[in-house]
Amino acid sequence: QSALTQPPSASGSPGQSVTISCTGTSSDVGGYNYVSWYQQHPGKAPKLMIYEVSKRPSGVPDRFSGSKSGNTASLTVSGLQAEDEADYYCSSYTSSSTLVFGGGTKLTVL
Amino acid sequence: QVQLVQSGSELKKPGASVKVSCKASGYTFTSYAMNWVRQAPGQGLEWMGWINTNTGNPTYAQGFTGRFVFSLDTSVSTAYLQISSLKAEDTAVYYCARVGDGNWFDPWGQGTLVTVSS
Repeated sequence: QSALTQPPSASGSPGQSVTISCTGTSSDVGGYNYVSWYQQHPGKAPKLMIYEVSKRPSGVPDRFSGSKSGNTASLTVSGLQAEDEADYYCSSYTSSSTLVFGGGTKLTVL
Repeated sequence: QVQLVQSGSELKKPGASVKVSCKASGYTFTSYAMNWVRQAPGQGLEWMGWINTNTGNPTYAQGFTGRFVFSLDTSVSTAYLQISSLKAEDTAVYYCARVGDGNWFDPWGQGTLVTVSS
């Protein structure tokens, strides 16, 4: 199972919006609404930010939103804040009953 | 609160074995599968597989068969990852993570750094 494709980096100024893409195939992202997103700060464990494409766990700011179109899922961070600077990973369930991560995107707040 | 607490860092020589533990609390251990995720230094997350906490049946991702073993002790709500015949390329942080019905990982353990060096 190949990793999902994410851009290595993304950036935006405070207050702006940034969108990170996660591209897979019809056997993973496109075939199931089981896409999730994780935020990881340096030296810390990942944290769930979005699950089932667009649902937000309690405690996650509504500045974070998720969507999906075809084989590509997206995470949008609106109203960027300094603390949003981190690595972001997508994950999807697959037709092989396995799970797969994206390669990760480093988000920089300028 | 729901929490996963992993064992501490390990320094091992090539060829040795290591066993990482992941103790769960705050929920019924056998109600959720437990997954293992590897993160090599400076690299991304890699799904290693999962273990059914009801049956003990493990599923290993490609690249994690043979030297990697998932196990459980349900009496103490603990999952284990054992790696044998350690190689330098096994140096990584290993995370356990509970998986919800929608195949999302939450929560995560704090991670265990395994360093393989002579």
